[in-house]
Amino acid sequence: GAGVSQSPSNKVTEKGKDVELRCDPISGHTALYWYRQSLGQGLEFLIYFQGNSAPDKSGLPSDRFSAERTGGSVSTLTIQRTQQEDSAVYLCASSFGASSGTYEQYFGPGTRLTVT
Amino acid sequence: EDKVVQSPLSLVVHEGDTVTLNCSYEVTNFRSLLWYKQEKKAPTFLFMLTSSGIEKKSGRLSSILDKKELSSILNITATQTGDSAIYLCAVKGDSGYALNFGKGTSLLVTP
Repeated sequence: GAGVSQSPSNKVTEKGKDVELRCDPISGHTALYWYRQSLGQGLEFLIYFQGNSAPDKSGLPSDRFSAERTGGSVSTLTIQRTQQEDSAVYLCASSFGASSGTYEQYFGPGTRLTVT
Repeated sequence: EDKVVQSPLSLVVHEGDTVTLNCSYEVTNFRSLLWYKQEKKAPTFLFMLTSSGIEKKSGRLSSILDKKELSSILNITATQTGDSAIYLCAVKGDSGYALNFGKGTSLLVTP
């Protein structure tokens, strides 16, 4: 079946503009995660959605970052008033199950965001 | 705070060599350790190790979890140029929902 898909694959934006990144998880996966990977760094957790529960936003770096997940499926990560330090690859992952379970996360191809 | 440290940070080997990548961790109430391979952008899942499954093998790749030493190794035998990638180690405890990733080991296999 189809894997996790993300769009756009690349986004170049000017400093101060807003951007929206989209993630379509694997069908049947109830958990969805956003991560950020800056050059030479490991993956940094941003936000987690599980079913209809309130999301875990503990990884969001500032209030310019927000995310939604509509209908328990597609998710959108929004960055307002982008800054150059927001430049990174934004990766989405999905998995089965709730927090009590141990399930592998499957990643999408990511969106490379460049803020000029 | 959970912590994952991978070593070495980078490695260059010749085709046919065997390599061992290391991952050590500190995590509250360990649940699982995962290995991923990242070639372009998307990390692809390799193995998940848990208390009930401390050794996994797939083809030329194998991994072992040492819960006593709080570490794991990823072995690749008879390396090929296609093994060139960044190998990421991630750990999940019960202090959150997300995986905690190390910075990765960059492996280059030369012909």
